Amino acid sequence: QVQLVESGGGVVQPGRSLRLSCAASGFTFRTYTMHWVRQAPGKGLEWVAVIRYDGTNKFYADSVKGRFTISRDNSKSTLYLQMNSLKSDDTAVYYCARETIAMVGGTIAANWFDPWGQGTLVTVSS
Amino acid sequence: DIQMTQSPSSLSASVGDRVTITCRASQSISTYLNWYQQKPGKAPTVLIYDASRLQSGVPSRFSGSGSGTDFTLTISSLQPGDFATYYCQQFYITPLTFGPGTKVDMK
Repeated sequence: QVQLVESGGGVVQPGRSLRLSCAASGFTFRTYTMHWVRQAPGKGLEWVAVIRYDGTNKFYADSVKGRFTISRDNSKSTLYLQMNSLKSDDTAVYYCARETIAMVGGTIAANWFDPWGQGTLVTVSS
Repeated sequence: DIQMTQSPSSLSASVGDRVTITCRASQSISTYLNWYQQKPGKAPTVLIYDASRLQSGVPSRFSGSGSGTDFTLTISSLQPGDFATYYCQQFYITPLTFGPGTKVDMK
């Protein structure tokens, strides 16, 4: 079945780095655009970053731009999020999510996140 | 950036009630609007995409409507498994943005 499994979370001190991974299975990973979304404890959802299926285009939320890098290894069906210069505000559960699309006449008519991984908790604290 | 707002932020309802949640975008997003359900400790799951299209496997008591800036999620008859938090999300342009959520709890 289609599955995303995140790993790499943990407790890290402010200013340090961490790399998250998201292992995909059950679908042709190399053909899908992938995202990271996070959720601070008790808070709502915040989109973090996106990477096109071939890795050519990447976009970031302003809150992480310049500190986080999204990447992928299509040969390993794995998505990554390199997080540098971590701050306490980065404390959150990080989810990877596949962008699913509906095409109409060769044009993307709709996109949504499905599925999501189970999430991995990152705690930034001294 | 497109700001998404939701109302109410929370509501209390009983099994069998009709529940309506509204979502508003700060600018027109056509129908690039999705609804997600999230239960405590779990990842969100999509209910509605493209404003009104029901995701496969989602019960028909869920429905969505709207276009432009104003959208609605309706649960026609609330069931015990529907007590959760609901988020709208725009996929019109990056940065992608979510509404703040609506928590539906038991009256």
